[in-house]
Amino acid sequence: QSALTQPASVSGSPGQSITISCTGSSSDVGNYNYVCWYQQQPGKAPKLMIYGVSNRPSGISSRFSGSKSGNTASLTISGLQPEDEADYYCSSYSTTSTWVFGGGTKLTVL
Amino acid sequence: QVQLQESGPGLVEPSGTLSLTCAVGGASISGGDWWTWVRQPPGKGLEWVGEIHKSGRTNYNPSLKSRVTLSVDESKSLLSLKMTSVSAADTAVYYCARGGNHRFDCWGQGTLVTVSS
Repeated sequence: QSALTQPASVSGSPGQSITISCTGSSSDVGNYNYVCWYQQQPGKAPKLMIYGVSNRPSGISSRFSGSKSGNTASLTISGLQPEDEADYYCSSYSTTSTWVFGGGTKLTVL
Repeated sequence: QVQLQESGPGLVEPSGTLSLTCAVGGASISGGDWWTWVRQPPGKGLEWVGEIHKSGRTNYNPSLKSRVTLSVDESKSLLSLKMTSVSAADTAVYYCARGGNHRFDCWGQGTLVTVSS
């Protein structure tokens, strides 16, 4: 069970858009539409931002969107705001009836 | 509004057994299909530990499967995690989370467990 691959860091200025990629395999991301994205602020528990590749839970800003192509999922944050600065993790269900997380991406709002 | 609260010893000796509980408030355990444990070593990423269905069925991270046991006490609204033969590599913040519908939508605050003599 290998971790999904995410860039270690991304950055953007307020108002800009950024995209975080999450690359898996045909055993996980490519095989299921069960990709989720979590935001984690320092010292806090993760918070669900996107589920089912592109669905937003109630209360999550429409500035957050998700997509998938093949074995790679993506999280896009538009209109960056200072409060978006956090760590972001993707996760996917896999063919072994287990879940796998990405290594995490640190988003810096410049 | 579901609330999850992890608790347990903050310090465990190497080769010992780590035992944690997660109190589920505001909802019945039977109301959630799956309940999940996730851990995060200091300064590192999230690692899925395993999940337990309200029926008692379990799935575990293959790398931890031989050492981890998850259980549910529905009458007490408690989830439990037991990990044997721990080492420093098991030092982490341990989270419980509500699963079901293929997402973890509600998380506890986490509890830090340090493995050290």
